[in-house]
Amino acid sequence: DTGVSQDPRHKITKRGQNVTFRCDPISEHNRLYWYRQTLGQGPEFLTYFQNEAQLEKSRLLSDRFSAERPKGSFSTLEIQRTEQGDSAMYLCASSFLLGLAGGSSYNEQFFGPGTRLTVL
Amino acid sequence: QQPVQSPQAVILREGEDAVINCSSSKALYSVHWYRQKHGEAPVFLMILLKGGEQKGHEKISASFNEKKQQSSLYLTASQLSYSGTYFCGTDIFGNEKLTFGTGTRLTIIP
Repeated sequence: DTGVSQDPRHKITKRGQNVTFRCDPISEHNRLYWYRQTLGQGPEFLTYFQNEAQLEKSRLLSDRFSAERPKGSFSTLEIQRTEQGDSAMYLCASSFLLGLAGGSSYNEQFFGPGTRLTVL
Repeated sequence: QQPVQSPQAVILREGEDAVINCSSSKALYSVHWYRQKHGEAPVFLMILLKGGEQKGHEKISASFNEKKQQSSLYLTASQLSYSGTYFCGTDIFGNEKLTFGTGTRLTIIP
């Protein structure tokens, strides 16, 4: 299977604990995105990387959240001192940024299965 | 600003057509459409760029009105497999950072 993989698929933790999620993108993809999705809502952007560089982090994201992509391949998302409001599905997506003649570019994002976090 | 999708939900009989709309309050660089089935990851359907370029699956069609900052997804001769929640994702700056709408839940019944 050469799709995006995420680990773990489910995580139950107690409030105040730290958790770390891993995302393995499609191997040749240079872009990696993290989203959070709650029930009945669309994915909410958290952060994204171009190779190993973190390009942007959502202003809505608490300092308790940090993400890395140290070698431009897999990425980790850490949440420190978890709160009940952090309970959600955390989705990772990857893409290969294309450049087209005329300067326009587009890509399709391939999503992983997600990590469902439950904070008790 | 989160794009607004309409309708919020729709129920169709197999073979019927549907249109799902996505509206933004800001000028858009591109619009992306995804479908998500319950308990699964979103799956790519279509990208529409300003200027008229499109990329997507053959059986899916969509439009992008740049002046109105709106996009519509057209589902024709619906099949049971079309059921799911459809999300539009909007890109304002051309940096592929998407803001997703609240979704449109589509149910196809035999």
